[in-house]
Amino acid sequence: DGGITQSPKYLFRKEGQNVTLSCEQNLNHDAMYWYRQDPGQGLRLIYYSQIVNDFQKGDIAEGYSVSREKKESFPLTVTSAQKNPTAFYLCASSRLNYGYTFGSGTRLTVV
Amino acid sequence: GIQVEQSPPDLILQEGANSTLRCNFSDSVNNLQWFHQNPWGQLINLFYIPSGTKQNGRLSATTVATERYSLLYISSSQTTDSGVYFCAVEGNTPLVFGKGTRLSVIA
Repeated sequence: DGGITQSPKYLFRKEGQNVTLSCEQNLNHDAMYWYRQDPGQGLRLIYYSQIVNDFQKGDIAEGYSVSREKKESFPLTVTSAQKNPTAFYLCASSRLNYGYTFGSGTRLTVV
Repeated sequence: GIQVEQSPPDLILQEGANSTLRCNFSDSVNNLQWFHQNPWGQLINLFYIPSGTKQNGRLSATTVATERYSLLYISSSQTTDSGVYFCAVEGNTPLVFGKGTRLSVIA
């Protein structure tokens, strides 16, 4: 079955540490996205990529970085510059006229 | 950017009741989706509906693009329908989400 795989499901980060969240898709979608969700809130866009080796900042990109070296993969790094990283992170991919498909998410907690 | 407003923010229903959730958006869009977020956080795509009407079992949705709103109908609600329902739209930028409607269906 085609889909989006996010790992890990739960991640704990120490203060000052960088962590990387994985997102892999086998849907052959060109575009991929990272969203952040805080408790009781909607989703906000962090970064997106419409083609390999290219990506754009979303509404809340500060403290995050991404890469898009392969069509299937769009990892997100949460850097030490992100002051409040505790949140639920969702990855998505899309195809024209078919909408977005989301992964099952990664819950990041700062300890 | 595009603004998305959902109403009501919270809704409590008795099992078997019907409900209508509304989504208003501020600009023309080429994509509108309704999602259900389950208790584990998974976003389940209910409808891809930039215009027109679609039905899937007890759920149906209508988008009137010229008037910039969409409606999600839930009939004969079940406890498993509980969760948060999000409307999201895409215009010139990627999908923008509303704040959601939290639905609680009680037996």
